[in-house]
Amino acid sequence: SFELTQSLSVSVALGQTARITCGGNNIRNVNVHWYRQKPGQAPVLVIYRDTRRPSGIPERISGASSGNTATLTISSAQAGDEADYYCQVWDNRTAWVFGGGTKLTVL
Amino acid sequence: QVQLVESGGGVAQSGGSLTLSCAASGFTLRTFGMHWVRQAPGKGLEWVAFLRYDGIKKYYADSVKGRFSISRDDSTNTLYLQMNSLRDEDTAVYYCAKQTGGGYSGYDLDEWGQGTLVTVSS
Repeated sequence: SFELTQSLSVSVALGQTARITCGGNNIRNVNVHWYRQKPGQAPVLVIYRDTRRPSGIPERISGASSGNTATLTISSAQAGDEADYYCQVWDNRTAWVFGGGTKLTVL
Repeated sequence: QVQLVESGGGVAQSGGSLTLSCAASGFTLRTFGMHWVRQAPGKGLEWVAFLRYDGIKKYYADSVKGRFSISRDDSTNTLYLQMNSLRDEDTAVYYCAKQTGGGYSGYDLDEWGQGTLVTVSS
């Protein structure tokens, strides 16, 4: 089965760049999607198909995927970026899979 | 404007049943694949079930297979999740989510409801 590995937490200084990774076997071969979830709220799609941004998501949020790792990058981190971030893929054996989530703290 | 509104959550006895509803507006359910995703208290997201655009193909997580059933009513544009033989570990917030395409593969979930809490009590 396809498993996705995320760090439990990432911290970033205000205005700096945060990188959140999602590990999976040959993850570059599948579409990776990223969701942001703030406390008490529903998830929101922030990156789809590895690199694409839905309307309303700022350009300082970007995605990449290579080898066994997908990366969500948040530049010029703001207090409002504090949230849990989840990666997600579809695999023909495992179907829809979410990573365990990464809590982003902006210091 | 797309909107998904879940209802039907509450407290159920272990071994009991509950039916969740997700009223969709701003789009037609039979055009898109739809999901149920849950989140246990303090835990991450877990995919639960999928209904393909045609309403025929259904897929379930192993943890709920044989106990949960996903369906929809096209006349009311409402998605359902029938949950039977409930267990303590089914306690979670349940979200319905729309995917960007109708088929079964690789699509993202671009719209989510606010969720409904299911608590299973033994």
